[in-house]
Amino acid sequence: SQQGEEDPQALSIQEGENATMNCSYKTSINNLQWYRQNSGRGLVHLILIRSNEREKHSGRLRVTLDTSKKSSSLLITASRAADTASYFCATGRGNNNDMRFGAGTRLTVKP
Amino acid sequence: GAVVSQHPSRVICKSGTSVKIECRSLDFQATTMFWYRQFPKQSLMLMATSNEGSKATYEQGVEKDKFLINHASLTLSTLTVTSAHPEDSSFYICSARTPDGNYGYTFGSGTRLTVV
Repeated sequence: SQQGEEDPQALSIQEGENATMNCSYKTSINNLQWYRQNSGRGLVHLILIRSNEREKHSGRLRVTLDTSKKSSSLLITASRAADTASYFCATGRGNNNDMRFGAGTRLTVKP
Repeated sequence: GAVVSQHPSRVICKSGTSVKIECRSLDFQATTMFWYRQFPKQSLMLMATSNEGSKATYEQGVEKDKFLINHASLTLSTLTVTSAHPEDSSFYICSARTPDGNYGYTFGSGTRLTVV
């Protein structure tokens, strides 16, 4: 079963703007990860944030985690047309850290 | 970096036949692999956790006899869709935890299964 929800379901912005995607989940987690998927392709790991971390940066990506609200956000700054893709959050749970995915946000960046 | 190779990328089969999908870790050993299913424009649904040398753990609602998983070695897990039906048409993706100990995962490129 899916772990949580993401919003918005779809986001369309102009190149150069920032894109913010949110993810909420329901149970305790070990960590939360964000992935990118181009249409019909596999997933690319973007960033992992542990349950005891609150914010993490990687290049143009900024991820926050609020365990009290069971939510996370992914910010992509200075977006590019090549950022067009679906973005998923996934929560790692249990001893196997098996992952459950959110519904995803389809981001379109217009040139 | 850790790479997972998934094969085939696309397969079309007739109803009633079986299809095997392979997932290989190329440069690392994966004691645990995960199989997901994804419908168009939807999220990934975890089907089962594949453990080397033991039985797979299936998620609730996933038919064990229909989706056979074999993890016979530390670098290979297979998913066989048996007696396929058109409703089994989907995108199947495998993943393995990267060996760096940081809980990151690497994914295969996926298999597009079409049952006609």
